[in-house]
Amino acid sequence: KNEVEQSPQNLTAQEGEFITINCSYSVGISALHWLQQHPGGGIVSLFMLSSGKKKHGRLIATINIQEKHSSLHITASHPRDSAVYICAQERDDKIIFGKGTRLHILP
Amino acid sequence: DVKVTQSSRYLVKRTGEKVFLECVQDMDHENMFWYRQDPGLGLRLIYFSYDVKMKEKGDIPEGYSVSREKKERFSLILESASTNQTSMYLCASSTLSTIYFGEGSWLTVV
Repeated sequence: KNEVEQSPQNLTAQEGEFITINCSYSVGISALHWLQQHPGGGIVSLFMLSSGKKKHGRLIATINIQEKHSSLHITASHPRDSAVYICAQERDDKIIFGKGTRLHILP
Repeated sequence: DVKVTQSSRYLVKRTGEKVFLECVQDMDHENMFWYRQDPGLGLRLIYFSYDVKMKEKGDIPEGYSVSREKKERFSLILESASTNQTSMYLCASSTLSTIYFGEGSWLTVV
């Protein structure tokens, strides 16, 4: 069983829709990362969270430590947001990734 | 800008060959990682290192070894490449606040 579970695996939405991607993780993490991977492989770090909420432009990440759950939200989605979004837990210097959510925004 | 550089973008090697994948970062990060990425399996941790000459096994270390002789360089070694090691290999380094990836190395073992 993967220590980091993401849902949904695939998501297709219309431009402008509000997007939510969920991540559940195992005990005792020091941080939770959200990353974005575009076709071609390049991976970019979006957020690192240990508590609360962070916002960058149209992206919002939240984490609930008690429930061991994090969400990534995209407001006013755009076709250029189409990518794979990956959640990762950091614990004891080790970073373990979820399998990713493939997001496709239709114009 | 932080840069994580992987030495080879595309490689084709024969079964049984020794393969070196090199990774260099320019921001004095202590933590460095090697992952492989396969369809349907996501990113899986092979090895990581939190300091020079220190290494820890990840989830799938079998068939791989690593070397960290200098802080900026973390090498992944396939002692005897096999076809099931055909994959994309990603190197990363991290600070306290974020993780940075290289562009990836596509390895095909024939």
